[in-house]
Amino acid sequence: GQNIDQPTEMTATEGAIVQINCTYQTSGFNGLFWYQQHAGEAPTFLSYNVLDGLEEKGRFSSFLSRSKGYSYLLLKELQMKDSASYLCAVRVRSNDYKLSFGAGTTVTVRA
Amino acid sequence: GAGVSQSPSNKVTEKGKDVELRCDPISGHTALYWYRQSLGQGLEFLIYFQGNSAPDKSGLPSDRFSAERTGGSVSTLTIQRTQQEDSAVYLCASRSRRETQYFGPGTRLLVL
Repeated sequence: GQNIDQPTEMTATEGAIVQINCTYQTSGFNGLFWYQQHAGEAPTFLSYNVLDGLEEKGRFSSFLSRSKGYSYLLLKELQMKDSASYLCAVRVRSNDYKLSFGAGTTVTVRA
Repeated sequence: GAGVSQSPSNKVTEKGKDVELRCDPISGHTALYWYRQSLGQGLEFLIYFQGNSAPDKSGLPSDRFSAERTGGSVSTLTIQRTQQEDSAVYLCASRSRRETQYFGPGTRLLVL
């Protein structure tokens, strides 16, 4: 099977920065995705990395190191609405787009 | 435009009954996926439809689970003789030619 690990929970203060790590051991690699999921809602796409390096998109950035099997999602200037679960997912094969997901990291932002 | 929609949003059923879950993908999206999300666990892939190709059923947990996609659009996931361990959120996603999958709000299934 595929192993995708991320911390279960993180807590941070409004205005701060939080980094959510994701490590993966998969039979192949063709891209890594981050999704945000608020309680009771659908996961929504945040970022996609297929090459090493940092992708920045507003307050959110995502980093990938393929040699280390490692990614992180960086959330800056945290807002209360950022309280959600963050899902790391790997596309394993190149001939389909199935995603293997980690269990998700629940981020709680406190005032 | 409209996103992925799923119905019902919630379903409570008795053990042993059959249930049907429906997914309406984004118009024009050729690929459709079903996932299952159990409490405290990651999304688990169930089945994948791509255009007119035979579906990838490799994630279906047992032969009680089946899915079809009619006319390359709407999909129905059927669970026969439901068991309590089938209780979960069932999520549908669709994708166009690009990599990103767009998820529906899910159907919360509770088997009593």
